[in-house]
Amino acid sequence: EVQLVESGGGLVQPGGSLRLSCAASGFTFSNYAMHWVRQAPGKGLEYVSAISGNGGSTYYANSVKGRFTISRDNSKNTLYLQMGSLRAEDMAVYYCARVPVGLIHYDYWGQGTLVTVSS
Amino acid sequence: DIQMTQSPSSVSASVGDRVTITCRASQGISSWLAWYQQKPGKAPKLLIYGASSLQSGVPSRFSGSGSGTDFTLTISSLQPEDFATYYCQQANSFPLTFGGGTKVEIK
Repeated sequence: EVQLVESGGGLVQPGGSLRLSCAASGFTFSNYAMHWVRQAPGKGLEYVSAISGNGGSTYYANSVKGRFTISRDNSKNTLYLQMGSLRAEDMAVYYCARVPVGLIHYDYWGQGTLVTVSS
Repeated sequence: DIQMTQSPSSVSASVGDRVTITCRASQGISSWLAWYQQKPGKAPKLLIYGASSLQSGVPSRFSGSGSGTDFTLTISSLQPEDFATYYCQQANSFPLTFGGGTKVEIK
């Protein structure tokens, strides 16, 4: 059974940093691209970042480029999102999601982790 | 960026009703469109990909159609568990973008 479990969310002050993790199980992690998608309270879904299966290619939404870094450790079956210079508008539930091979939609999602940016 | 516009933003319907949600892309995306269902406090769930392919395990009352810029999601006979918010997503190019969502509410 495919499982994605996010962790690392919490309360952080504006300008602060946080690292999210997504532990994957039930599939060959290194074979799949992985994405982060976020949802601000009461709002819709927003793509944040993507990484290829081997980690060699990364992509970012313009809204986070230069502030967030996506990475993965295939030996640990874990995806990461290092977030810096956090702003109020970054406050959201962050989901990790798996992308089927050769496609760019999301077939499995984690349960999400809440990031609150507030002083 | 490709803009995705969903309509309506909300719809009230009764159990057994046929419900249709539309999604329009700001430029052609062939059939690279997915639909998701999201219930409060839960992660989205994939329903349809490739505009019309039903994800494994999704009931056949859900169907998708369209290509190019105009797409529809149809629920043929609304069930109590279908009351949720539905999102389309273009899977054609980065940055991936979602529609604003359609909330299906109980009439």
